[in-house]
Amino acid sequence: QQQVKQSPQSLIVQKGGISIINCAYENTAFDYFPWYQQFPGKGPALLIAIRPDVSEKKEGRFTISFNKSAKQFSLHIMDSQPGDSATYFCAVPNTGTASKLTFGTGTRLQVTL
Amino acid sequence: EADIYQTPRYLVIGTGKKITLECSQTMGHDKMYWYQQDPGMELHLIHYSYGVNSTEKGDLSSESTVSRIRTEHFPLTLESARPSHTSQYLCASRLGKAGNNIYFGEGSWLTVV
Repeated sequence: QQQVKQSPQSLIVQKGGISIINCAYENTAFDYFPWYQQFPGKGPALLIAIRPDVSEKKEGRFTISFNKSAKQFSLHIMDSQPGDSATYFCAVPNTGTASKLTFGTGTRLQVTL
Repeated sequence: EADIYQTPRYLVIGTGKKITLECSQTMGHDKMYWYQQDPGMELHLIHYSYGVNSTEKGDLSSESTVSRIRTEHFPLTLESARPSHTSQYLCASRLGKAGNNIYFGEGSWLTVV
């Protein structure tokens, strides 16, 4: 069973600042590594995902950095906005079963004015 | 926009009652999942299905049961609800190919009194 550690648990960032959330996993995995964004009362929605053979992926203000050898990946939110305030979850494919994901414990991000 | 629907969205029910949470997707996805999530907390996989007539227990033990008689439908049943079952239940689906996104429904909030 995959083990996933996500940090920090909560994060407060000023508008325009950079938000950084980290995720570490234990068992080698080969499928995509996604980040999900969840607003209160809603289901999680895919924000951005990275292939394991790529070290960085950028989509607009959101960037994933991936360190395969260290089994770590992180989400960077540039120019953070109040509308980015949400809970963010990393997810890692379960070892040997590409169809299941193990989620991190979540990071509650608050972007202040 | 994901086409995955959960009903009811909110349910308050007495202890000992039987409940069924409905989940349907119109995307033709072969793989479907049920996750349990307490407010602001991580997601725990409780059931999954690889296709029609295939169901498996997830990583978190649950007293609920599921069935998959049709590709698009994956209901979850609690035969006798207890206060400990109070939680949010999230249904998700995925086209079973590496790299494909998992889509979540909006969730069903269950309160057992």
